[in-house]
Amino acid sequence: QITLKESGPTLVKPTQTLTLTCTFSGFSLSTSGVGVGWIRQPPGKALEWLALIYWDDDKRYSPSLKSRLTITKDTSKNQVVLTMTNMDPVDTATYYCAHRPRRGYAFDIWGQGTMVTVSS
Amino acid sequence: QSALTQPASVSGSPGQSITISCTGTSSDVGSYNLVSWYQQHPGKAPKLMIYEGSKRPSGVSNRFSGSKSGNTASLTISGLQAEDEADYYCCSYAGSSTDVVFGGGTKLTVL
Repeated sequence: QITLKESGPTLVKPTQTLTLTCTFSGFSLSTSGVGVGWIRQPPGKALEWLALIYWDDDKRYSPSLKSRLTITKDTSKNQVVLTMTNMDPVDTATYYCAHRPRRGYAFDIWGQGTMVTVSS
Repeated sequence: QSALTQPASVSGSPGQSITISCTGTSSDVGSYNLVSWYQQHPGKAPKLMIYEGSKRPSGVSNRFSGSKSGNTASLTISGLQAEDEADYYCCSYAGSSTDVVFGGGTKLTVL
């Protein structure tokens, strides 16, 4: 059974850097093809893809946010970490991580999400 | 502005069928048979309903079906039920650089 869970601060100040951790079980990020992605959703708004990392350390970023994002993995800890720099109130959102069985495939299993508020 | 265009809302009565469209471009929906659809109830995480355009994951009702024509993908829900009331999002593979694009979401109301 695959599960994912997001963790990190619930409140960050403008200009700070956000660090979120996705801890997963039921699969390995060393298995060929597998990826983990981050998706966010501002309150009342649509889903927005942020970043993806694959088993071979291939990384993909949303073109509009690429300069602010870094995604890394720790295969031994079954964790994926997303950092987002220069946070702004418009970045207030629920942040989800999700499992992707292979490139191009759907996000088949999602975490419960973690709400992050950006405010001074 | 989302990369894929969906209607903001659709509605239908119990037992009826509805279709939600998802319009992209020749760089995403039109080039790959890799559209997925997600259902999201308020306060919940999205749930995968359709993948690779028309395939249903185990456990998803066969009332949900997907199709594609050109640059537009569609999700059809037949025999509408009250529990189908939710937001629905399409998503497409968009090539190795952009990788993922989502639609703006459609709110389904069961009257």
